[in-house]
Amino acid sequence: EVQLLESGGGLVQPGGSLRLSCAASGFTFSTYAMAWVRQAPGKGLEWVADIAGDGSNVKYGDSLQGHFVISRDNSKNSVYLQMTSLRAEDTAMYYCAKDQIPNDGRLVLDHWGQGTLVTVSS
Amino acid sequence: IQMTQSPSTLSASVGDRVTITCRASQNIGVWLAWYQQKPGKAPKFLIYEASTLESGVPSRFTGSGFGTEFSLTISSLQPDDFASYYCQQYISPPWTFGQGTEVEV
Repeated sequence: EVQLLESGGGLVQPGGSLRLSCAASGFTFSTYAMAWVRQAPGKGLEWVADIAGDGSNVKYGDSLQGHFVISRDNSKNSVYLQMTSLRAEDTAMYYCAKDQIPNDGRLVLDHWGQGTLVTVSS
Repeated sequence: IQMTQSPSTLSASVGDRVTITCRASQNIGVWLAWYQQKPGKAPKFLIYEASTLESGVPSRFTGSGFGTEFSLTISSLQPDDFASYYCQQYISPPWTFGQGTEVEV
């Protein structure tokens, strides 16, 4: 059974940093791209970033590159999201999700974690 | 690529046939997925390639469409189906979602 468990969320002041982690199990982790998707309170889903199975290719949503960095450690079956210069508009639930098909150049998310809440406020 | 869903909210009753529409701002072929999300829960993957049901998804869910016009139909709404639904294009990044459709009682 695929399981994704996010951690690292919390309350942070504007301008601060936070590192989210997602521990994966139940599948061959290094084969699949992984993604972070966020959802602001009462709003829709927004793709944040994704990373290829071998970590060779990363992509970011508009205006997020340089603000967020996605990485992975296949020896630990984990994917990370380093967030810096956080702003109030980054307040959201952050979900870790697994790509459905490896190495096809597309991102459709067949398993999701339960999310970790990030609140940016003074 | 912008994804636009309609309606934003849909009021329905158990047993109703409901249809949600998703429009893409450019041709995305069949590269469209649908997700279901219940309050306080993570999204659940329902449909890919516009019309293929993910394993375990009830057959009352049907996806259709190609190019720029897509729809998700629930043939007979069940109590478990009251939720929000999102479409997502995956022909090219940035991967984008529709704004969501809430199916309410």
